[in-house]
Amino acid sequence: NAGVTQTPKFQVLKTGQSMTLQCAQDMNHEYMSWYRQDPGMGLRLIHYSVGAGITDQGEVPNGYNVSRSTTEDFPLRLLSAAPSQTSVYFCASSSSRQGAYEQYFGPGTRLTVT
Amino acid sequence: RKEVEQDPGPFNVPEGATVAFNCTYSNSASQSFFWYRQDCRKEPKLLMSVYSSGNEDGRFTAQLNRASQYISLLIRDSKLSDSATYLCVVKWSGTYKYIFGTGTRLKVLA
Repeated sequence: NAGVTQTPKFQVLKTGQSMTLQCAQDMNHEYMSWYRQDPGMGLRLIHYSVGAGITDQGEVPNGYNVSRSTTEDFPLRLLSAAPSQTSVYFCASSSSRQGAYEQYFGPGTRLTVT
Repeated sequence: RKEVEQDPGPFNVPEGATVAFNCTYSNSASQSFFWYRQDCRKEPKLLMSVYSSGNEDGRFTAQLNRASQYISLLIRDSKLSDSATYLCVVKWSGTYKYIFGTGTRLKVLA
């Protein structure tokens, strides 16, 4: 199993550009989420999904869109990049099977917006 | 008050020492508790879940105190490779909402 994969690993964007961060998991987890991590702050939830076709906003959703057409994939779209979106982005997945709820993270995407 | 609070450290300890971290949480409806380890510029990795009765995994012991709303992590016989940031994570009951602490930084010194 590859676990949770993310692409790209690094990205530089100019202000106003758009892009999609990819996330995929092969563990058949129903729950997937996107976080951003900034220096001195904990991981903050951007958007999450509890299953294909179901998404919801987290703590810091503005400027981001998500969709979940399959169990495996959960892309994050930046609509019009801003310097405030410079951050490290992590995708995670988990399952309620056996009551575990343990989250597993992808390797992250380091995004710089200039 | 933050929902999950940790002492940011750093905790500088010599190899072989025992070190303990606490993490307090504010929501009494919290259901599940975890410790993650994060190395510099890497993704968080699950270290252990924390069970009501406490649990141990090798040199690591986790405890939960629901009455006082804190969890703890004890590391015995610290190794240089234990140097990392340790994140406390709390999941709320009935939701998929996970709240992360900002982490406690540990440096194990030779």
